[in-house]
Amino acid sequence: EVQLLESGGGLVQPGGSLRLSCAASGLTFSNYAMTWVRQTPGKGLEWVSAITSTGINTYYADSVRGRFTISRDNSENTLSLQMSSLRAEDTAVYYCVKAGSAWSYFFDFWGPGTLVTVSS
Amino acid sequence: EVVLTQSPGTLSLSPGESATLSCRASQRVTNNHVAWYQQRPGQAPRLLIYGASSRATVIPDRFSGSGSGTDFTLTISRLEPEDFAVYYCQQYGNSPITFGLGTRLEIK
Repeated sequence: EVQLLESGGGLVQPGGSLRLSCAASGLTFSNYAMTWVRQTPGKGLEWVSAITSTGINTYYADSVRGRFTISRDNSENTLSLQMSSLRAEDTAVYYCVKAGSAWSYFFDFWGPGTLVTVSS
Repeated sequence: EVVLTQSPGTLSLSPGESATLSCRASQRVTNNHVAWYQQRPGQAPRLLIYGASSRATVIPDRFSGSGSGTDFTLTISRLEPEDFAVYYCQQYGNSPITFGLGTRLEIK
């Protein structure tokens, strides 16, 4: 059974940094692209970032490019999102999400999510 | 970016009825790469349909997807109590990946 478990969420001040992690199990992690998707009550679901199965290529939404960095460790089956220069509008539940394949970005397994709150 | 417009915003139906949910894209979605998700309160979204019409693993055949180009539909037949939730469409054929704002399916 595929399991994804996020950690690292919490309260951070505007301009601060936070690192999210996702531990994956029950799958051959290195075979799949992985992504982060966030959800806010007002804006719904928003794709944030993606990384290919090998980690060579990364992609970002315009709203986070230059501030967030996605990475993965295929030897440890972990996915990370380093977030810096955080803004109030980054407040959301962040989901670690598995892509359907190495190249197809529909999302077939989701973690339970971790809440990030950016506030002073 | 491709803007996905879902309609209606809220759909009120009774168990046993059928639901038809619409997702319209602002431009053609490459390879009809559209997915549908169900989200129940307090839970993460769950994949229902990918590639516009392929059912995900363990999704009952009451759920079906159709459409091409810019117009896509999720149909749920014989509504069960657990089907009342929010449904989102997503396109992954064009960059960046985008989601619709959702349709809330509520019990009438």
